[in-house]
Amino acid sequence: DAMVIQNPRYQVTQFGKPVTLSCSQTLNHNVMYWYQQKSSQAPKLLFHYYDKDFNNEADTPDNFQSRRPNTSFCFLDIRSPGLGDAAMYLCATSRDGGRQTETQYFGPGTRLLVL
Amino acid sequence: KQEVTQIPAALSVPEGENLVLNCSFTDSAIYNLQWFRQDPGKGLTSLLLIQSSQREQTSGRLNASLDKSSGRSTLYIAASQPGDSATYLCAVRNNAGNMLTFGGGTRLMVKP
Repeated sequence: DAMVIQNPRYQVTQFGKPVTLSCSQTLNHNVMYWYQQKSSQAPKLLFHYYDKDFNNEADTPDNFQSRRPNTSFCFLDIRSPGLGDAAMYLCATSRDGGRQTETQYFGPGTRLLVL
Repeated sequence: KQEVTQIPAALSVPEGENLVLNCSFTDSAIYNLQWFRQDPGKGLTSLLLIQSSQREQTSGRLNASLDKSSGRSTLYIAASQPGDSATYLCAVRNNAGNMLTFGGGTRLMVKP
């Protein structure tokens, strides 16, 4: 019954070593989001895709990139992780983002540790 | 730029108490406001969504209110239970775009 799936749940990487986090959805939603949540802080939107249209938040570091090869999958690539990138990364989806009643559905998150 | 604040940051209550969590936002031109629950190390679960034209929404023991003009929302939890222990996040969606702006959350502990 899982609707938004994130793999892996825990990821350990080394300082500067590229890492990719994965998100998939079974909801057939048009919009997919990536959030970064540091310990005891609010989730912060990094970017989102409306279908294949990529929307980057203004203060998202260049070190973070994303790919959406099809409706179901979205990837977060961190090119050169720094210690400050250690966080929980949350993927979310919504149907089309246009309706006032619409909510976002979140995955369980991937916790990234940078050594 | 929208800013969302939640007070208190942490709250500990005995089981059975009724409690209120507070959320305030700086830009009243919102599209909707949502309350989410987050268990430790987990993702977010949507609890209640209030459209900008609505004043409140109810689900079971939860009631959320919205006062757009004053930039405030409250989440009321009746007869709290240990299973309610979690972090509760308020998020505001502004008219432009899909972006949700989250508050820092209130970490709730309900003691048996």
